[in-house]
Amino acid sequence: KNQVEQSPQSLIILEGKNCTLQCNYTVSPFSNLRWYKQDTGRGPVSLTIMTFSENTKSNGRYTATLDADTKQSSLHITASQLSDSASYICVVTVYSSASKIIFGSGTRLSIRP
Amino acid sequence: SQTIHQWPATLVQPVGSPLSLECTVEGTSNPNLYWYRQAAGRGLQLLFYSVGIGQISSEVPQNLSASRPQDRQFILSSKKLLLSDSGFYLCAWRGQGGNYGYTFGSGTRLTVV
Repeated sequence: KNQVEQSPQSLIILEGKNCTLQCNYTVSPFSNLRWYKQDTGRGPVSLTIMTFSENTKSNGRYTATLDADTKQSSLHITASQLSDSASYICVVTVYSSASKIIFGSGTRLSIRP
Repeated sequence: SQTIHQWPATLVQPVGSPLSLECTVEGTSNPNLYWYRQAAGRGLQLLFYSVGIGQISSEVPQNLSASRPQDRQFILSSKKLLLSDSGFYLCAWRGQGGNYGYTFGSGTRLTVV
């Protein structure tokens, strides 16, 4: 069964600290994995996309990793800012299927001053 | 560049009234189009997707319907809203082929009263 599981479900950290969010998936055949940031009441916005052959992708203070062997991905946020408070969603796409895009349930990150 | 427009941003409708949410995409042709619903604190649930004009696939039985009258237009409708239709609705598009990720609209907050 195609699944995407994220952990932790929620996380609170102090401003300036680093954090890492986890995503484990069982999706086949794998096409790509994306991390999205969703502010409250807004649509998700893509942070990174990685294909099977990519191990690391950075976007400013966000760094995503992908281990295709263990089917795990992480999103590392460096020097967190208050504006990083949001839900972070891991999304895995099944190759060549219009509908098989599997969403994780997200990690709710809160940055405290 | 490609853009996706979704409106309205918020909507309050009485039970039993009709619904029409519209989504349009610019800067691309023949996109896959999607409607998702997101309940508060929950993940995204795929409602409908379309791979072409007039082609609609439904993922879950429900009180809603979708139509694609033009290549880059996707409409979510209901003849009579239920209280359970309240939620955050997201339109998204994705390029044809196996290696594209999603781009989401800004969402519509629907409250049925």
